[in-house]
Amino acid sequence: EPEVTQTPSHQVTQMGQEVILRCVPISNHLYFYWYRQILGQKVEFLVSFYNNEISEKSEIFDDQFSVERPDGSNFTLKIRSTKLEDSAMYFCASTPDRDYGYTFGSGTRLTVV
Amino acid sequence: QKEVEQNSGPLSVPEGAIASLNCTYSDRVSQSFFWYRQYSGKSPELIMSIYSNGDKEDGRFTAQLNKASQYVSLLIRDSQPSDSATYLCAVMKGSNYKLTFGKGTLLTVNP
Repeated sequence: EPEVTQTPSHQVTQMGQEVILRCVPISNHLYFYWYRQILGQKVEFLVSFYNNEISEKSEIFDDQFSVERPDGSNFTLKIRSTKLEDSAMYFCASTPDRDYGYTFGSGTRLTVV
Repeated sequence: QKEVEQNSGPLSVPEGAIASLNCTYSDRVSQSFFWYRQYSGKSPELIMSIYSNGDKEDGRFTAQLNKASQYVSLLIRDSQPSDSATYLCAVMKGSNYKLTFGKGTLLTVNP
């Protein structure tokens, strides 16, 4: 069964450093998303991406965040200057359209120290 | 008012019993409704989707939707210890097919 692949599975970074989280969505999916989940809290929407551009972003997705699909397969989330409160699980997801729900990747656990 | 509300639990049922999980949503224009299962430290896994009023069955799982009451539920028959997890209700709306999640209900199935 096709899967969404995320790397790394765990990243520890110092406050103020830049991190790049990587995702390979399922190849025939058209809609891509990043979500995050702070420990013990709900899964929160960050950004959606369609047709090579951001289609919607949340209030959380401020200027320190950016997304790219640099080569037509990888989908990246960059956090420019990490803060302690950015520590969370970050999930990439994709879907072909609304009737299928999302397939989530296994997540990247980001720890900012 | 929260967009998607779930009782956080924990909900504890004995093995073999029916587990009933409930969810309400606030936005009437919501289009599609999903139940995900999330084991601790893992990513959400899609269990069921439902789009029309009524019931939808898939194996031991039945999803129920009542758009007039803005209510979605999930029944798990013959609950197994392996069903112990957090169950997330998610609501989809908009042309970007954005999912909004509830906080989840922790289900424990006791052997």
